[in-house]
Parts: sequence; structure tokens; C-alpha cells
Amino acid sequence: GAVVSQHPSWVICKSGTSVKIECRSLDFQATTMFWYRQFPKQSLMLMATSNEGSKATYEQGVEKDKFLINHASLTLSTLTVTSAHPEDSSFYICSARAEQGHNGYTFGSGTRLTVV
Amino acid sequence: GQNIDQPTEMTATEGAIVQINCTYQTSGFNGLFWYQQHAGEAPTFLSYNVLDGLEEKGRFSSFLSRSKGYSYLLLKELQMKDSASYLCAVRVYNAGNMLTFGGGTRLMVKP
Repeated sequence: GAVVSQHPSWVICKSGTSVKIECRSLDFQATTMFWYRQFPKQSLMLMATSNEGSKATYEQGVEKDKFLINHASLTLSTLTVTSAHPEDSSFYICSARAEQGHNGYTFGSGTRLTVV
Repeated sequence: GQNIDQPTEMTATEGAIVQINCTYQTSGFNGLFWYQQHAGEAPTFLSYNVLDGLEEKGRFSSFLSRSKGYSYLLLKELQMKDSASYLCAVRVYNAGNMLTFGGGTRLMVKP
């Protein structure tokens, strides 16, 4: 089945530094990638929708200059958290549509970001 | 926007049946999904409904009433491993057909 590989699975960084999270679709072309953030004991909150070759669409309240999304190819989307702060510590998950179908949404394994 | 409500927590006994409800208010409805998520892991797909009625898949069933903006996930013969969060998500017709998730229901299965 469709697989999305997400790396790293966890990362600890210092305040003020930047962290890049990668999501790769291994056996399909992901024209659209969704990026979610999940705080402890909360649900997934959509941050942005990225489309290959075009600018990402950010949800209200998400700073596009802080969360940089690049979707330069059909198999790779990246999320860079710039100038990270402790409040950015969260679980970040990507999701891609593998096909036109009801169960076509495949999730990455998630990245646990801790900013110290 | 979309408004999706589900209970925060539920507790049930091993071997029993539990029903997790989800109500939604949205425009451009294009399907409702249920996902299971264990702590620290990505969500895994359980079921999908776009037409009214019941979809059964093994121990899991999901029901949808579009006129009522209502869905439920039914788990039968509960097992300890079913302890997890269950997320209701609605898809709408817009750019990219994105999913909007409810707050999730944390289910605890007790012996």
C-alpha cells in the first residue's frame, strides 16, 4: 500500500534554531501534502496544505514565515520550523493523498519536536 | 468552517461494545472518516462513510446520517489493545479536499 516516510521521528533542538522535517511518498506521487500539528491530548490541527510546484496554503493563525513548507517534487515535502521556541514543541504529522479514493489519505509516522 | 464534536473520554470493559459519537456542522460535506491513534503514533484508517447507513468491517462499524450531521463508530468485542484515541474527521469540497479532525475520543478499555 501507499507509504509516507517521515523523518526524523524525534528531534530536540535549542531555542532559536531551525528544524527541517521531511515527508516522502515512497510508492506514489503526492501532489498534495497536508501538515498537521498535535499537542498532547489534543487532536490534529491542520497547519497548511502544500501542492507540488506552488505555494502552500496556510490555515488561519499559522505563520507562514515561521513554518516554511517546500513541495518541490511529487515525492517530497518539507516543513521547516524556523527560530524554534519551546511553545513550538509538538507532534508534527504529514499526510498525503495517494489516490482518488475514500481511504486515500496516508499519514507519516510523525515527528516529536522538543525545543529546549 | 467546520465544527466537529465528539466526547473527550470514554471507558468500557473488555469484551463489551462501545459507541463513539461524532456530530458535525459543515458545508460542502464530502465524507466522514474514523481513525485510530495510539499515543505517539500516526493515525490509522478505520472507516469511511459518504452515504447514509452502516458500514461494517470486522469488529468495527461506522454509521452516518447526513441529514442529522451525525456519525458513530461502534466497536464490538472490545480488546485491551483498543485503548486509543478515536478521531472523527470530515472531508469537504475545497482546495485539496482536506480533512478536518474532531478533538478525538480517548477510549480506555478495562479488564
